[in-house]
Amino acid sequence: GESVGLHLPTLSVQEGDNSIINCAYSNSASDYFIWYKQESGKGPQFIIDIRSNMDKRQGQRVTVLLNKTVKHLSLQIAATQPGDSAVYFCAENMGGNTGTASKLTFGTGTRLQVTL
Amino acid sequence: KAGVTQTPRYLIKTRGQQVTLSCSPISGHRSVSWYQQTPGQGLQFLFEYFSETQRNKGNFPGRFSGRQFSNSRSEMNVSTLELGDSALYLCASSLRSGPVRYEQYFGPGTRLTVT
Repeated sequence: GESVGLHLPTLSVQEGDNSIINCAYSNSASDYFIWYKQESGKGPQFIIDIRSNMDKRQGQRVTVLLNKTVKHLSLQIAATQPGDSAVYFCAENMGGNTGTASKLTFGTGTRLQVTL
Repeated sequence: KAGVTQTPRYLIKTRGQQVTLSCSPISGHRSVSWYQQTPGQGLQFLFEYFSETQRNKGNFPGRFSGRQFSNSRSEMNVSTLELGDSALYLCASSLRSGPVRYEQYFGPGTRLTVT
């Protein structure tokens, strides 16, 4: 499959443990954030999103935390499984309230390796 | 429901040539965005089309262009290929274009290698 990034930071986690992947975003005016998962040979897959008027959102086994004060986003994966091994990207949307086009700016990504 | 499809999956071209990549969005999706992914730069936005109109454009030279057809299928074209254009080109579709909450579904990408 494709190599998403040759020099990505890597997080190694044991199966069953919780994972925390961090992301610093750049624009304090960003109003919407998304986490994506990209497995080898595939395109990014939506995991969870959060709007800037929230500081926490939970999904199935995943939680996203947003700290606007320090422009920091984190993705927590509970009970990490081998199938969670992938590259994870955060993305910020600076579309504002124009109601038309939107544009995502992606972080560089973190590779999550789940060990047995 | 079928996902986003991209053709071809792999392509090898020579510097100076041009290339056209195709993307078929999920049925009912009207917004198609294109991204370039490289190990050095990560994912970078190229442009977005909605209802056959380009709605937004990233910071790429004019050699990169695209279009969308009435059935929402989209093509992107790169003319006068350079070695640095080697990348994974990803297409993503969503129901609508806008800054509000939406889910964007990516295709598997086209791996372009320029020699």
